[in-house]
Amino acid sequence: DTGVSQDPRHKITKRGQNVTFRCDPISEHNRLYWYRQTLGQGPEFLTYFQNEAQLEKSRLLSDRFSAERPKGSFSTLEIQRTEQGDSAMYLCASSALAGGVSRRSYNEQFFGPGTRLTVL
Amino acid sequence: DAKTTQPNSMESNEEEPVHLPCNHSTISGTDYIHWYRQLPSQGPEYVIHGLTSNVNNRMASLAIAEDRKSSTLILHRATLRDAAVYYCILVWGGGADGLTFGKGTHLIIQP
Repeated sequence: DTGVSQDPRHKITKRGQNVTFRCDPISEHNRLYWYRQTLGQGPEFLTYFQNEAQLEKSRLLSDRFSAERPKGSFSTLEIQRTEQGDSAMYLCASSALAGGVSRRSYNEQFFGPGTRLTVL
Repeated sequence: DAKTTQPNSMESNEEEPVHLPCNHSTISGTDYIHWYRQLPSQGPEYVIHGLTSNVNNRMASLAIAEDRKSSTLILHRATLRDAAVYYCILVWGGGADGLTFGKGTHLIIQP
């Protein structure tokens, strides 16, 4: 399967601990996105990368959250000092940037299965 | 961001067509209409998108109103596997920024 993969699939942690999630996008995709989804709600955008550059961060991304994509391939999302409100599904997606002016090039986003975080 | 309005849930029978409505009265001229769906315990998956003209692909059809203030996703012959939450999303300029999901429509398929 050459889809988007995420690791781990489930994470249970205690309040105050740090957690890190990994996302491996589809290999030829240069855009990578992070979303968060709580029960009964649609996914909420957090941030995205084009290659290794982080181009946009949502206001939802507090100072405790940091994302990296050091070599423009896989990405990590770290949450420091977790709180119970951080419990959610964290979704990663990737897309390929078509030719032409980037903002006018639609590209389908391919989502991974998500990492479910439970903060006790 | 321009917003979309969808019914919370809809129910249909297996092997019958399903019409999922979406209202987007504040759509701008450069907003594309995208549909994604999310099967239980999975990440969302792209279904279809369009700008002004009706669109067809192997999964579904998208019918866009002439004034573009509403659209309808059509599943021609629903199967149990189509039971999912369907999201109607407006994307500026067809660009590749983060998607703004609403709550979507929970589609229930009865056997």
